[in-house]
Amino acid sequence: DGGITQSPKYLFRKEGQNVTLSCEQNLNHDAMYWYRQDPGQGLRLIYYSQIVNDFQKGDIAEGYSVSREKKESFPLTVTSAQKNPTAFYLCASSPWDRDGYTFGSGTRLTVV
Amino acid sequence: GQQVMQIPQYQHVQEGEDFTTYCNSSTTLSNIQWYKQRPGGHPVFLIQLVKSGEVKKQKRLTFQFGEAKKNSSLHITATQTTDVGTYFCAGPTSGTYKYIFGTGTRLKVLA
Repeated sequence: DGGITQSPKYLFRKEGQNVTLSCEQNLNHDAMYWYRQDPGQGLRLIYYSQIVNDFQKGDIAEGYSVSREKKESFPLTVTSAQKNPTAFYLCASSPWDRDGYTFGSGTRLTVV
Repeated sequence: GQQVMQIPQYQHVQEGEDFTTYCNSSTTLSNIQWYKQRPGGHPVFLIQLVKSGEVKKQKRLTFQFGEAKKNSSLHITATQTTDVGTYFCAGPTSGTYKYIFGTGTRLKVLA
């Protein structure tokens, strides 16, 4: 079955450490996205990529980095520069004709 | 910048009552999408509306796109406990695949 896989589901890290969240899709979608969701809040865009080897900052990119070396993969690194990294991180993808996003099941990151 | 607002933020209804959430954009939209996120889950795409004044139905859910293409609504008839969750609308930004998500409406259904 096609879909988006995010791993791990839960992640705990110590303050000051960088951490990379995985996102893989087998839907052959061109565009991929990373969103952050805080408890009871909406979705805020971190980074997005429309094609391989190209990506753009979203609304809250500071303290995060991404890469898009393959169409299927769009990993997100949460760096030590991110002041408040504890959140629910959602990866999504969409085809070029904008027929709705498909979201992964998310990664809950807790920094202690 | 472009903003997408939803009202109400929260809604508690008795099972069997109707529910409506409204979505308003600061700019004209080429289309609008609706998503549902169950508690603890991830958003799931429900529908996309493209035409001015368009109305689409999915069983007990009715989606409407405003004539001016700046607002939209989702109406649920006779809510059930399975309708619990947060409903988001999303509108595209010009020239990109990027969608701006609304603030969401959290629905709680009391049995």
